[in-house]
Amino acid sequence: GNSVTQMEGPVTLSEEAFLTINCTYTATGYPSLFWYVQYPGEGLQLLLKATKADDKGSNKGFEATYRKETTSFHLEKGSVQVSDSAVYFCALSDFSGYSTLTFGKGTMLLVSP
Amino acid sequence: DSGVTQTPKHLITATGQRVTLRCSPRSGDLSVYWYQQSLDQGLQFLIQYYNGEERAKGNILERFSAQQFPDLHSELNLSSLELGDSALYFCASSATGTGTNEAFFGQGTRLTVV
Repeated sequence: GNSVTQMEGPVTLSEEAFLTINCTYTATGYPSLFWYVQYPGEGLQLLLKATKADDKGSNKGFEATYRKETTSFHLEKGSVQVSDSAVYFCALSDFSGYSTLTFGKGTMLLVSP
Repeated sequence: DSGVTQTPKHLITATGQRVTLRCSPRSGDLSVYWYQQSLDQGLQFLIQYYNGEERAKGNILERFSAQQFPDLHSELNLSSLELGDSALYFCASSATGTGTNEAFFGQGTRLTVV
């Protein structure tokens, strides 16, 4: 079956540091890949997505590239802010299915001033 | 604001009881999904409805059931509750429920079983 593995947190960074959160997946076929963010006390928000190999999703300074050869979708940001503190979830959607999402366990990011 | 509304926000109940969680999808969205978020299992897909019909089933217990009504709102019914059912339950909606449609999530219902 489908699965997503992402690095365990928390990831603790100082403001303006570079961020990488690793995500790898196992899936049949060609899934779509997503990063969702969950701020404290809120629901999940879509951060970015990529629907085919070599696509790069980007939003709010965050980027992730769909790497089919390494089955990865690592999240990066060049300069994090305190307001980026949240839990980040990598997820996939099996295109042959009905858009149900398989999530990783989430990575908490804590950014200090 | 995602446009997905879940009620109640918090629910505390005793073991063995039954509760109903309600979800109103974004205007125009036909598909509704239910997810459970717990500390040990993470975020798990429970069930999906599309335009009133069940479309996909995930790790949903037999004690749990759901439905989607003609006005497209959905309810998740949890019965014979156990301590382990304590979790955050999210509803999400998407336009068609196929392909790469973005799913919009509500703020969740936090269920505590005591």
